[in-house]
Amino acid sequence: AQSVTQLDSHVSVSEGTPVLLRCNYSSSYSPSLFWYVQHPNKGLQLLLKYTSAATLVKGINGFEAEFKKSETSFHLTKPSAHMSDAAEYFCVVSGAGTGRRALTFGSGTRLQVQP
Amino acid sequence: DAGVIQSPRHEVTEMGQEVTLRCKPISGHNSLFWYRQTMMRGLELLIYFNNNVPIDDSGMPEDRFSAKMPNASFSTLKIQPSEPRDSAVYFCASSNSNEQFFGPGTRLTVL
Repeated sequence: AQSVTQLDSHVSVSEGTPVLLRCNYSSSYSPSLFWYVQHPNKGLQLLLKYTSAATLVKGINGFEAEFKKSETSFHLTKPSAHMSDAAEYFCVVSGAGTGRRALTFGSGTRLQVQP
Repeated sequence: DAGVIQSPRHEVTEMGQEVTLRCKPISGHNSLFWYRQTMMRGLELLIYFNNNVPIDDSGMPEDRFSAKMPNASFSTLKIQPSEPRDSAVYFCASSNSNEQFFGPGTRLTVL
């Protein structure tokens, strides 16, 4: 079985300050982990993915995430927030290893960026 | 590539009517997924296909929901009869690896 928990439903930061969106996962297998972003009334866009290569993963728009097996975490960070980063972010675990390729989504974290 | 294409983008219907949502995956992708997104339940997998064959439909809520994939370039999700609680955004995604590409979604409102 696998699951993912996003620890914050809402995060608010000021423009230019760092962003931290927290995610913990549970998986019986070596997981593949993803962060997706969803802007209002839009579809989901892949930010970055971890698939058992380097533990520090760099994605688009300056985001990165670090896979920490000992902490079962995959937190998303960005050094300096932009107004355009305001969106909902989903941490996702893949069923790879179970024969099940479908994704399990976290409940989402809504990021607000204040001017 | 145009990406995953879904139609219609918006659908408003009355309770009891049949609703058909359509999806065209990215060419060359061999897996297709249908998800539903609501405020209450977030994103949920409904069903997925691999090489046009349904692999896991455990997320399909009831017999009112059915999905088909007659060929590699087309899939439908049908709700018959529709109910107000089916109102949601329905996403289709396709994949040929562990990365999924999502369509823009269909926003369904059942009155």
